[in-house]
Amino acid sequence: NAGVTQTPKFQVLKTGQSMTLQCAQDMNHEYMSWYRQDPGMGLRLIHYSVGAGITDQGEVPNGYNVSRSTTEDFPLRLLSAAPSQTSVYFCASSYSGTGVSYEQYFGPGTRLTVT
Amino acid sequence: QQPVQSPQAVILREGEDAVINCSSSKALYSVHWYRQKHGEAPVFLMILLKGGEQKGHDKISASFNEKKQQSSLYLTASQLSYSGTYFCGTARDSGAGSYQLTFGKGTKLSVIP
Repeated sequence: NAGVTQTPKFQVLKTGQSMTLQCAQDMNHEYMSWYRQDPGMGLRLIHYSVGAGITDQGEVPNGYNVSRSTTEDFPLRLLSAAPSQTSVYFCASSYSGTGVSYEQYFGPGTRLTVT
Repeated sequence: QQPVQSPQAVILREGEDAVINCSSSKALYSVHWYRQKHGEAPVFLMILLKGGEQKGHDKISASFNEKKQQSSLYLTASQLSYSGTYFCGTARDSGAGSYQLTFGKGTKLSVIP
């Protein structure tokens, strides 16, 4: 098993550009989520999904879109990048549909810089 | 609402013990503990569920006081490999199940020889 994979590992964007961060898991997990990590702030939930076709907002959803057309993939779209979106982005997955009864497996992260 | 972790940072010598605390103002369904080394992804340590169930590694211990909405992670006989930032994540007990983990700001643990 590859676990949770994320691409790209690093990305530099100009303000106003759009892009998609990719996340995939091969563990047949129901629950997938996206977090952003900023220095001194911990991990903050952006969006999550409890199964294919079902998504919902987390703490900091503004400026991001998600969709979940398959169990394996959960891409995160930045609509119009802003410097405030400079961060490290982690995708995570969990066996349970609730996401909070089982451990979450984190991907290696994408380091995004918006200039 | 973010849980509060304490201390923010701690330095230990190898073999010493440490306790990291996590508290919330809301009724909790579960508490997760993760460790993150610099430049790496968070790694699961333990889950404590409402009702007393625990899942995690044999060498890590933790407690969950449901009435006080508090959890503590106990690190005994610390090793150099224990160094990293420890995060607690809490899931609120909404009655209908909860789908969001809210993480604290982390506790930076440094173990020195």
